[in-house]
Amino acid sequence: AQTVTQSQPEMSVQEAETVTLSCTYDTSESNYYLFWYKQPPSRQMILVIRQEAYKQQNATENRFSVNFQKAAKSFSLKISDSQLGDTAMYFCAFAQIQGGSEKLVFGKGTKLTVNP
Amino acid sequence: GAVVSQHPSWVICKSGTSVKIECRSLDFQATTMFWYRQFPKQSLMLMATSNEGSKATYEQGVEKDKFLINHASLTLSTLTVTSAHPEDSSFYICSARTYSDILPLHFGNGTRLTVT
Repeated sequence: AQTVTQSQPEMSVQEAETVTLSCTYDTSESNYYLFWYKQPPSRQMILVIRQEAYKQQNATENRFSVNFQKAAKSFSLKISDSQLGDTAMYFCAFAQIQGGSEKLVFGKGTKLTVNP
Repeated sequence: GAVVSQHPSWVICKSGTSVKIECRSLDFQATTMFWYRQFPKQSLMLMATSNEGSKATYEQGVEKDKFLINHASLTLSTLTVTSAHPEDSSFYICSARTYSDILPLHFGNGTRLTVT
């Protein structure tokens, strides 16, 4: 079974600075997707960024970028120019491609606080 | 686009009663819906996957007779917690995907269930 590990239960960063959240995963498969989701206090799950395992290029979405190290099974999220609205729980998630029955496996999350 | 609405957002019920939670896709056809449970300060755990017109597939350890899932149309899935007990108190979140989506990228805003 696939597992996702987020080793940082809580992190904090000053506004405008950069922070990196760690995520490692375990799988024997070669074809899969990785995701970072944000869950603000409203509890709404919001997709931040996703990465296809077959793509070597790291995904980027505005201030959010990932460092995908397939061999090391590592998938960290970098948030640049942190904003107060980035305060939230961040979940790393894995999904194996299974021809229509894909399921998300989530890590335990990292609580990020952006301080003014 | 791709809005998923969940109702109610918060419900309190007495022990022994049943409660129904609705998950609607407002602007797309959801061929598959997923139901998750999230305990306080913990991650999302997949409970079941439902395809429109088919019986739901439950994850190991989830009681299908207690958590009844119906996905009768392409825009609506319901989760009924039958004979609720205080230990069923939790945050329940649905997500939905279309046929062309790789994965469930669209989440509802969740339902907080409190059983007294």
